Amino acid sequence: NAGVTQTPKFRVLKTGQSMTLLCAQDMNHEYMYWYRQDPGMGLRLIHYSVGEGTTAKGEVPDGYNVSRLKKQNFLLGLESAAPSQTSVYFCASSFMSRGQDGYTFGSGTRLTVV
Amino acid sequence: AQKITQTQPGMFVQEKEAVTLDCTYDTSDQSYGLFWYKQPSSGEMIFLIYQGSYDEQNATEGRYSLNFQKARKSANLVISASQLGDSAMYFCAMNYGGSQGNLIFGKGTKLSVKP
Repeated sequence: NAGVTQTPKFRVLKTGQSMTLLCAQDMNHEYMYWYRQDPGMGLRLIHYSVGEGTTAKGEVPDGYNVSRLKKQNFLLGLESAAPSQTSVYFCASSFMSRGQDGYTFGSGTRLTVV
Repeated sequence: AQKITQTQPGMFVQEKEAVTLDCTYDTSDQSYGLFWYKQPSSGEMIFLIYQGSYDEQNATEGRYSLNFQKARKSANLVISASQLGDSAMYFCAMNYGGSQGNLIFGKGTKLSVKP
């Protein structure tokens, strides 16, 4: 089925380790986003991309890097994981920047940093 | 600054009754969109309903309707005839002219439907 696929779904990291979360979409969407969800906080934007080769910072970018070398993929990297990065990470994509075309969300990645 | 406020951390409703989940927003943009998402315990984000700032009619989607009061900057979600499967977290979200598509989310309301 068409949509947004996130890998992995679960991961446990030790403090200081690095990892990359992959988001892949097959809908030819221009816009892609990474959010984190913490209890009682809703979803907060980490980084986003408005097209292949472009990225920009969101509300909570510190400790994360991103890349969008291909239109269909948006990678989120943690260079040196910290316990504060324990969270559920959601990737989303959209065709347009506004309007009711809506957003497609991945199923999330639950990351625990110990 | 753009902001979404959901003041009800938790709500209870009896099965088959209607319930209103509150959402107020703050933006200086004239063009914006308001969204409601449902997040069941399984974790996925499910789109429910959308209202554009220039839409004159309140949006409806099946049992969901959005009570849009532009002057009060409120976009409350009304769920009619609640079902047990409606028990979930509900998030109000907004994008706006300058957001480059980014959605701003409220903190959510946890709805529990009692049998």
